[in-house]
Amino acid sequence: GAVVSQHPSRVICKSGTSVKIECRSLDFQATTMFWYRQFPKKSLMLMATSNEGSKATYEQGVEKDKFLINHASLTLSTLTVTSAHPEDSSFYICSARAPPGTGGGETQYFGPGTRLLVL
Amino acid sequence: AQTVTQSQPEMSVQEAETVTLSCTYDTSESNYYLFWYKQPPSRQMILVIRQEAYKQQNATENRFSVNFQKAAKSFSLKISDSQLGDTAMYFCAFGPDSNYQLIWGAGTKLIIKP
Repeated sequence: GAVVSQHPSRVICKSGTSVKIECRSLDFQATTMFWYRQFPKKSLMLMATSNEGSKATYEQGVEKDKFLINHASLTLSTLTVTSAHPEDSSFYICSARAPPGTGGGETQYFGPGTRLLVL
Repeated sequence: AQTVTQSQPEMSVQEAETVTLSCTYDTSESNYYLFWYKQPPSRQMILVIRQEAYKQQNATENRFSVNFQKAAKSFSLKISDSQLGDTAMYFCAFGPDSNYQLIWGAGTKLIIKP
């Protein structure tokens, strides 16, 4: 149980284009999902918290107009990198919070990540 | 501010040995959760073990166990009978009960040698 998928696993795009990354909780409903960015050999950096049916909460320094997050259903959150530039190249990971009452506490389950390369 | 510190950037042990990864944290919260996650070369983050702060008993999951010292704010991970597949980055994370976000340590790269 508690499987999270992420698509695509890797994407290469040209500078100036937009890229959408999907994060799905496959066997549970997730009212809260998270989007992280990870630089090589570094820890996870939280970008935003995504709550179903409401606007995402962005961390300080993250451009909300550049990184659009939509959490339209209890099993799907999307991250769109708009007008991508080479400096946006990174590894993006989503996670979903375990549902209350499942015994998972505040556990987050992670997708496999998306490697974005902007040329 | 709440922080998580992993003081060992890298560790290396022989297969079948026991290894302990250290983690300390700083918080004024009374109720929280602590986690160890593993990130192998595939970069998939995998939950290894979790501990609820109000539980005194140390969590165990097969070969993985923790030494949770609440007063000292210490949360170390012990891996027994280490296997080649344990080679990975290990991240310690703190989750306050007041919100759903996790605070992450810098990670420890663990290499298991054959």
